[in-house]
Amino acid sequence: GAVVSQHPSRVICKSGTSVKIECRSLDFQATTMFWYRQFPKQSLMLMATSNEGSKATYEQGVEKDKFLINHASLTLSTLTVTSAHPEDSSFYICSAPSGGSTDTQYFGPGTRLTVL
Amino acid sequence: GENVEQHPSTLSVQEGDSAVIKCTYSDSASNYFPWYKQELGKGPQLIIDIRSNVGEKKDQRIAVTLNKTAKHFSLHITETQPEDSAVYFCAAHAGGTSYGKLTFGQGTILTVHP
Repeated sequence: GAVVSQHPSRVICKSGTSVKIECRSLDFQATTMFWYRQFPKQSLMLMATSNEGSKATYEQGVEKDKFLINHASLTLSTLTVTSAHPEDSSFYICSAPSGGSTDTQYFGPGTRLTVL
Repeated sequence: GENVEQHPSTLSVQEGDSAVIKCTYSDSASNYFPWYKQELGKGPQLIIDIRSNVGEKKDQRIAVTLNKTAKHFSLHITETQPEDSAVYFCAAHAGGTSYGKLTFGQGTILTVHP
């Protein structure tokens, strides 16, 4: 299957700081990527759709000014958690469709964010 | 919007037994149904998927069945092994303007005892 990477895999930061998470498609191009959030022992919750060269589309209830998304190239999308607070601590996962299909999603390994 | 219900939430089997996980969906327009395996601290891994024009698909020990009329689909794992222990998620994709957006089930924690 297609390979999606994320960096960093784990980050710990102080409350009030901003954290940037990168999502890269390594062996394919992705005009669209997706960002999910997963709390312990829960399912994946879609946060936003990242669109290359245009604004991201956010799901209802997700603050776009807090979770900044930039999709500057066909292989890179970034999620910046601004002014992070302890309640933002979570597992953030990105995905991208590949293989010529608009629906087959491949996920990155995830980023564990801990806000102190 | 789409709603996906997944059962059971936990499943415990002995090595060599079969495991079955079931999901139902609400949107009749959904046309793509993937299954993901997630190990602790890792991202979900696509293990098998099925499209609405197919009733069954098999890949070695894993199979998925789809009943469009009843709007449910199931994951079947035969000859389970301890390394099959993980959380399994079903998902549904509505197609059309919902480009790539998946709705996930709640997940099933599968434990295979040696």
